[in-house]
Amino acid sequence: QKEVEQNSGPLSVPEGAIASLNCTYSDRVSQSFFWYRQYSGKSPELIMSIYSNGDKEDGRFTAQLNKASQYVSLLIRDSQPSDSATYLCAVNGGGADGLTFGKGTHLIIQP
Amino acid sequence: EAGVVQSPRYKIIEKKQPVAFWCNPISGHNTLYWYLQNLGQGPELLIRYENEEAVDDSQLPKDRFSAERLKGVDSTLKIQPAELGDSAVYLCASSLGVGGGTYNEQFFGPGTRLTVL
Repeated sequence: QKEVEQNSGPLSVPEGAIASLNCTYSDRVSQSFFWYRQYSGKSPELIMSIYSNGDKEDGRFTAQLNKASQYVSLLIRDSQPSDSATYLCAVNGGGADGLTFGKGTHLIIQP
Repeated sequence: EAGVVQSPRYKIIEKKQPVAFWCNPISGHNTLYWYLQNLGQGPELLIRYENEEAVDDSQLPKDRFSAERLKGVDSTLKIQPAELGDSAVYLCASSLGVGGGTYNEQFFGPGTRLTVL
């Protein structure tokens, strides 16, 4: 059974610091990796996708992928209070397959 | 560009009653997904459509759940009869579909919060 593991938190980070979120997955054939942000009472919002080993940067966000270690991470630089949310890691086998999600990490940015 | 549209946003029903959820995907998105999200959990796939064909319904509880996607655009998810354990948020998502890379990025609608009493 495919599994995606995340530390549920809460992860508390001071405003302006770097928040580091981690995710491991069990299915070695996973090809596509996504990070979603979910505010309380709202639906998941796609913030990053990554498909090959290494780093991918988009604004204050950097996604990192290591397929050999089956590990994905998300770094948020210059954390803002508005970044406080639950961050969901999701993977699939590539193509249009459905996503397998972790339970999410609750991130709190302290002003 | 309009996002994924879902209705209703909230639904409260008594157990054993039927309920239906509607989804309109992003224009031009061929692949449509229904997910279920329980409190404190990540979404779980129920069914995936490629155009009008259900290509992955292995996680859909077929004794009480059904879905359709007529004409390959809008989709309806139905539960009949509803049980207490069906209380959850039902999310619809869509993607461009086959093509790789960003074609597979899935975008979610606002969801329907179902409460079964």
